[in-house]
Amino acid sequence: EVQLLESGGGLVQPGGSLRLSCAASGFTFDSYAMRWVRQAPGKGLEWVSGISGSGTSTYYADSVKGRFTISRDNSKNTLYLQMNSLRAEDTAVYYCAKAYSAGAARSIDSWGQGTLVTVSS
Amino acid sequence: QTVVTQEPSFSVSPGGTVTLTCGLSSGSVSTTYYPSWFQQTPGQAPRTLIYSTDTRSSGVPDRFSGSILGNKAALTITGAQADDESDYYCVLYMGSGIWVFGGGTKLTVL
Repeated sequence: EVQLLESGGGLVQPGGSLRLSCAASGFTFDSYAMRWVRQAPGKGLEWVSGISGSGTSTYYADSVKGRFTISRDNSKNTLYLQMNSLRAEDTAVYYCAKAYSAGAARSIDSWGQGTLVTVSS
Repeated sequence: QTVVTQEPSFSVSPGGTVTLTCGLSSGSVSTTYYPSWFQQTPGQAPRTLIYSTDTRSSGVPDRFSGSILGNKAALTITGAQADDESDYYCVLYMGSGIWVFGGGTKLTVL
């Protein structure tokens, strides 16, 4: 059974940094692309970032490009999202998600439960 | 900036059939956008229903189906049940690793 467990969320001041982690189990981690998707309170889903199975290719939404960095450690079956220069509009539940195969054009088939990030002074 | 469009809300009677759509502010949706559909109830993580236009995710009942209808992607629910009352989101692949979600459709079963 696929399991995705996010951690690292919390309260941070504007301009601050936070690193999210997603521990994966139940599948061959390095064979699948991974994604981060967020949802602001009361709002819809927003794709944030993606990474290939090997970690060599990364992709970002314009709203986070230059501030967020996605990475993965395939030896630890863990996905990361380093978030810098945080803004109030980054406040959201952040979901870790697994793609159904390795490629960039492969959508999500499994989701974590999410971790809440609140950016506020 | 391309916008992915969805109906803000829709209602269906129990046992009825409803088709939700996913379009583009400019242009037509085709299979090359790999449309996917997700269901979300309040306070819960999303659940994948359909990916790559019409492939049902594991465990999803066959009363959920995906297709291309005209210039949009579509999610059809046949024999609607009370627990289908949820928010439904589509996502489209824009190329170069970029995905864009629609704004979601709130489905009411009454």
